Amino acid sequence: DAGITQSPRHKVTETGTPVTLRCHQTENHRYMYWYRQDPGHGLRLIHYSYGVKDTDKGEVSDGYSVSRSKTEDFLLTLESATSSQTSVYFCAISAGGPNSPLHFGNGTRLTVT
Amino acid sequence: GNSVTQMEGPVTLSEEAFLTINCTYTATGYPSLFWYVQYPGEGLQLLLKATKADDKGSNKGFEATYRKETTSFHLEKGSVQVSDSAVYFCALSENDMRFGAGTRLTVKP
Repeated sequence: DAGITQSPRHKVTETGTPVTLRCHQTENHRYMYWYRQDPGHGLRLIHYSYGVKDTDKGEVSDGYSVSRSKTEDFLLTLESATSSQTSVYFCAISAGGPNSPLHFGNGTRLTVT
Repeated sequence: GNSVTQMEGPVTLSEEAFLTINCTYTATGYPSLFWYVQYPGEGLQLLLKATKADDKGSNKGFEATYRKETTSFHLEKGSVQVSDSAVYFCALSENDMRFGAGTRLTVKP
């Protein structure tokens, strides 16, 4: 595995509560991504980062925010969790730009009740 | 915008059968194309890639050829094994990585 650790691996939370998921990498890669995986949709990009403090929105960014204060850490926050955000969340990293292959963490399964 | 369409599963094959998983794409420019594989409880892993028209990506007996004229990148393997059972994702990347919905493959002994 590329050195990517996601935490927590599983979380159950209630509607309306804030939730933060963490992605930690040991590869010193510049690019980091958050995806969500839902049946029938494949993976959809939520947010990505192209450097410390440099982030941008993906195709399903509503209801999510991110922060990257260090090269190795990329945080995804659900400001007020909703049931539609129940999903499996994957962090990915790449050394190059958009055309470079992605290396994925093992995912965080989030359930919003 | 860019998008990927891959054949719906699930696909069930007997060991040593021939595998084809179809993938077609829509893109405004000249994307790179990828196949990823996901085993239960894990993240996606890169299986193979192709960066320009007529390139063939290959790995572990799997192959796919970048066909610009048919906007396709079909995954093939001549003889599947039980250990190939997984979910396979086609993806393209131009400004960001876009994935198909995934195809679940089950190989029976």
